[in-house]
Amino acid sequence: SYVLTQPPSVSVAPGQTARITCGGNNIGTKSVHWYQQRPGQAPVLVVYDDTDRPSGIPERFSGSNSVNTATLTITRVEAGDEADYYCQVWDKSSDHVFGGGTKLTVL
Amino acid sequence: QVQLVESGGGVVQPGRSLRLSCAASGFTFGSYGIHWVRQAPGKGLEWVAVISNDGVNQYYADSVKGRFSISRDNSKKTLSLKMNSLRAEDTAVYYCAKEVGYCSGGSCRLAFDYWGQGTLVTVSP
Repeated sequence: SYVLTQPPSVSVAPGQTARITCGGNNIGTKSVHWYQQRPGQAPVLVVYDDTDRPSGIPERFSGSNSVNTATLTITRVEAGDEADYYCQVWDKSSDHVFGGGTKLTVL
Repeated sequence: QVQLVESGGGVVQPGRSLRLSCAASGFTFGSYGIHWVRQAPGKGLEWVAVISNDGVNQYYADSVKGRFSISRDNSKKTLSLKMNSLRAEDTAVYYCAKEVGYCSGGSCRLAFDYWGQGTLVTVSP
């Protein structure tokens, strides 16, 4: 089965840049999607197809994907960005796969 | 606006059954595949099942295959998940989620662009 690996936690000061990685074998050949989940709430799609943002998502959120690592980048981090972030791909053998999630803490 | 509203969660004993429902509005329901995704307490997201827009095709995670059954009624804009032989490890918040994207050439670019608020299923003696 296909596995996505995320760091359990990332910490960043307000106004700085947060980078959350998602590792997977040849993930660069797949379409990667990112979700934000605030405590007690449902997930929200923040980046899809590696780099695209749904309407209403700030430009501060961006994504990249290359070889074995995809990255969600959040610039000018705000307190409201504190949440769990999950990457997700579709894999032929595993269907839909989520990473284990990364807790973003704004210091 | 797009809305997905789950219902049917509750406390159930191991080995028993439960049916979840998801009511959709604000989009052309019959044009999209709809998924169930679950989240055990304090854990990450786990994909459970999907049904195609026309209801013809269903796919399941290995963890629920043979026990869960997904169905839909496009005339009523509703989705269901029948869960049989429930186990303690099925305890989770269950979300229905609308898919966006496409499949081509044996590969898919599919994301979940709208989610319901979730319904909690607790499997306990």
